[in-house]
Amino acid sequence: DAMVIQNPRYQVTQFGKPVTLSCSQTLNHNVMYWYQQKSSQAPKLLFHYYDKDFNNEADTPDNFQSRRPNTSFCFLDIRSPGLGDAAMYLCATSRDLLWGAVYEQYFGPGTRLTVT
Amino acid sequence: AQKITQTQPGMFVQEKEAVTLDCTYDTSDPSYGLFWYKQPSSGEMIFLIYQGSYDQQNATEGRYSLNFQKARKSANLVISASQLGDSAMYFCAMREEASPTGANSKLTFGKGITLSVRP
Repeated sequence: DAMVIQNPRYQVTQFGKPVTLSCSQTLNHNVMYWYQQKSSQAPKLLFHYYDKDFNNEADTPDNFQSRRPNTSFCFLDIRSPGLGDAAMYLCATSRDLLWGAVYEQYFGPGTRLTVT
Repeated sequence: AQKITQTQPGMFVQEKEAVTLDCTYDTSDPSYGLFWYKQPSSGEMIFLIYQGSYDQQNATEGRYSLNFQKARKSANLVISASQLGDSAMYFCAMREEASPTGANSKLTFGKGITLSVRP
């Protein structure tokens, strides 16, 4: 009964070769997030979608892009992966962002990216 | 200033004993939420417990309880009757009140605490 699904769980790519990570959700949540987590560190938010509105974090490199073709799916595109982009990439969802409310985020299992 | 502080470098607890994981936070918003997540070695972030800033009582979820001291800005996680499967990294996170534009919508995580349960 997985609610937030990430594919693949493990991805190996070559230096500079574009790679796409996938996230889907069965919760019908309005918000989807992408986090980068390096070893023994806290997750770092890259960007999020509120419905179709894209919100980029100020310090997210241009090398990282995202697409959300519909409510259920969200993709993370890394245009030219570098060795420093090797990390766990976590997708999360939350129901909404309504004023005055705080919503829990549900995380997927993550995709561990290796760059060779 | 860090918004979420978790300073314990690593914690050890004997199986079946209780353990407290510390978390302090910093915000000027009156409305916020505090979360604890567990991350085992497999990588998935598992939601454990939530405390809203206006909640009068401490949150509890099974063996997990949150010792919320608003004036001191602390939200410590208490795990009772530790089990071997509790060995993992634990993250405290805060989300401040969402604005109409979606600003402040993100979770701010602490650096995490590694908990090891000894048999």
